[in-house]
Amino acid sequence: DGGITQSPKYLFRKEGQNVTLSCEQNLNHDAMYWYRQDPGQGLRLIYYSQIVNDFQKGDIAEGYSVSREKKESFPLTVTSAQKNPTAFYLCASSISLGGGVRGEQFFGPGTRLTVL
Amino acid sequence: AQSVTQLDSQVPVFEEAPVELRCNYSSSVSVYLFWYVQYPNQGLQLLLKYLSGSTLVESINGFEAEFNKSQTSFHLRKPSVHISDTAEYFCAVSDIRDDKIIFGKGTRLHILP
Repeated sequence: DGGITQSPKYLFRKEGQNVTLSCEQNLNHDAMYWYRQDPGQGLRLIYYSQIVNDFQKGDIAEGYSVSREKKESFPLTVTSAQKNPTAFYLCASSISLGGGVRGEQFFGPGTRLTVL
Repeated sequence: AQSVTQLDSQVPVFEEAPVELRCNYSSSVSVYLFWYVQYPNQGLQLLLKYLSGSTLVESINGFEAEFNKSQTSFHLRKPSVHISDTAEYFCAVSDIRDDKIIFGKGTRLHILP
């Protein structure tokens, strides 16, 4: 079955540590996205990528980094510079960027990160 | 720039009663509109979308939404809710020029027995 997988589902980290969240898709989608979700704030875009080896900052990129070395993988690193990293992180993909049928986004199950 | 406003953060409704979740958007160009649903501790799933054509769009589980260009709205309705509809619902907008989808802050639907 095609889809998006995120691992782990729950992640705990000590303050000052970097941590990497995994996102893999087998939908052959070109575009991939990372969102952060906090209660009452909806989804906020962290980074997105349209093609391999290229990515753009979203609205809240500070304290995060990404890579896109393979089409199917888009890992997110939460660095120690991120002031409030505790949140629910969602990865998504779409056939291409933009709206309409090609821009419809498919989401993974999410990773809940807690900083201790 | 586009924006999406979901007017209610929470909506309580009795089981088998009708419900409307409100969504308004702002954009200077033609838009595409989406409703996504998120069940607890899961990712988002597309519920329905408006791209063009008929302004009334329906989902397979009884939800419908109507695109109203003059009122810049895309409200989601269901004539009779079930306990299984308990979830958070997100309205989203994009246009053909942009490279992102903008999400509203979500409306949490509580079904009361």
